[in-house]
Amino acid sequence: DVKVTQSSRYLVKRTGEKVFLECVQDMDHENMFWYRQDPGLGLRLIYFSYDVKMKEKGDIPEGYSVSREKKERFSLILESASTNQTSMYLCASSSKIWGQGLGEAFFGQGTRLTVV
Amino acid sequence: SQQGEEDPQALSIQEGENATMNCSYKTSINNLQWYRQNSGRGLVHLILIRSNEREKHSGRLRVTLDTSKKSSSLLITASRAADTASYFCATDARRGSTLGRLYFGRGTQLTVWP
Repeated sequence: DVKVTQSSRYLVKRTGEKVFLECVQDMDHENMFWYRQDPGLGLRLIYFSYDVKMKEKGDIPEGYSVSREKKERFSLILESASTNQTSMYLCASSSKIWGQGLGEAFFGQGTRLTVV
Repeated sequence: SQQGEEDPQALSIQEGENATMNCSYKTSINNLQWYRQNSGRGLVHLILIRSNEREKHSGRLRVTLDTSKKSSSLLITASRAADTASYFCATDARRGSTLGRLYFGRGTQLTVWP
């Protein structure tokens, strides 16, 4: 059974803290993604990675950074958490099908982060 | 900027009826995918349609793709209360600044009443 696992289901952090959200996939996928989901805004892409140590900014990278040191792991870092980063964070991975683009994405269960 | 935009934002129907959701996007794509999300959970992949396909079926799901209009539709036939969820389309851009990204829209909230 394929799986994308996020390290925490719920997280409460204080303003100014450095926050690490971890995501691990067991499908040997090249591509991994971090999204945040807010009511009425859908899923917004924060960062994605298409290979180890490679990263690309999405639409809303400000205040975030990422790390991909191993193929199976993609970490999202909130450098200094702020209340406007309170959200649901979703990690996903997908394969790349040569000449056909991205394959289906598999999602983790999500991390609901509250910054107080 | 987001690629896919679903329409309508919310849809409420009775069990047994068909549900149709639409998605529009902006640039050339490799494929378009539809996902389902139950409240507060991660997304689950439903179906993928490639840019050279016009229609695809999977069980009670039927997806169409019109690349000339940059639009897609998802039809759920004979809906059930268990189909209540949010549905999202996602696009994989073929070229340009959005290459390699998987973009999602805001979703359609489907409610199926028993």
